[in-house]
Amino acid sequence: GDSVTQMEGPVTLSEEAFLTINCTYTATGYPSLFWYVQYPGEGLQLLLKATKADDKGSNKGFEATYRKETTSFHLEKGSVQVSDSAVYFCALGRGTGANSKLTFGKGITLSVRP
Amino acid sequence: DAGVIQSPRHEVTEMGQEVTLRCKPISGHDYLFWYRQTMMRGLELLIYFNNNVPIDDSGMPEDRFSAKMPNASFSTLKIQPSEPRDSAVYFCATSPGETQYFGPGTRLLVL
Repeated sequence: GDSVTQMEGPVTLSEEAFLTINCTYTATGYPSLFWYVQYPGEGLQLLLKATKADDKGSNKGFEATYRKETTSFHLEKGSVQVSDSAVYFCALGRGTGANSKLTFGKGITLSVRP
Repeated sequence: DAGVIQSPRHEVTEMGQEVTLRCKPISGHDYLFWYRQTMMRGLELLIYFNNNVPIDDSGMPEDRFSAKMPNASFSTLKIQPSEPRDSAVYFCATSPGETQYFGPGTRLLVL
C-alpha cells in the first residue's frame, strides 16, 4: 500500500539558515504530493502541492519538486524565520472517489531560534 | 468562508461519560474526514464520508466510537463510554476533491 516516510526530527535551526526536510514515498501510479504545516495549537494547513512528476510546488518561500525517479518530495526554504517554527507533514493523495483519503507521514517539528 | 468549524474546542470529561464532537464543513465540500492526533501515534484517520455516506471506517478504534453525517452541513463523532486513552486532539477536515482543509481541532481530555 501507499506510505510516506519523513526524516526523523526534531530539527532546530538558526534564523536565516537553509532548510531541507526530506520526504520519500512508496506508491504505484501517479499520486499527488502535499506538504501541510501545523502551527502550535492549530489544525493542519496546506503549504504546497504538486500533482505530477517534475512539478514544483511553492508557497511562502518554501519549495518542493515532485521527483518520480527518486520517489521524493523534499521541502526546502532558503532562509527560515522564527515564524516558520511548526510541524511539517508530507502527504500523498490519490484524487477523488473511494481513494480520496491522504496518506500522511509522521511529521517533523521545526524550531527556528532568533 | 469561515472554514471548517469544530465544537467544542476543549472538552474535559470523566471516564465513562459520553462525548460528542461536532463539525461543520466548508459549504460545497463533498468529503469529510475525522482524524485523531496524539504524541504517541501521530495523525490517524478514523473515518471519512463522501456525500454524507461513510466510505471507510477502518480507522475507528473500536465500537465505542461512532460517526454520523446526517446532512451536508453537519457531522458528529461520538465516544461512548469514554476512556483516558481517548485523550487526544480530534480534527475534522473537508475537501472538494483532493486537497483537505482542516478545522482547529477539539482537544479532549478524559480523566
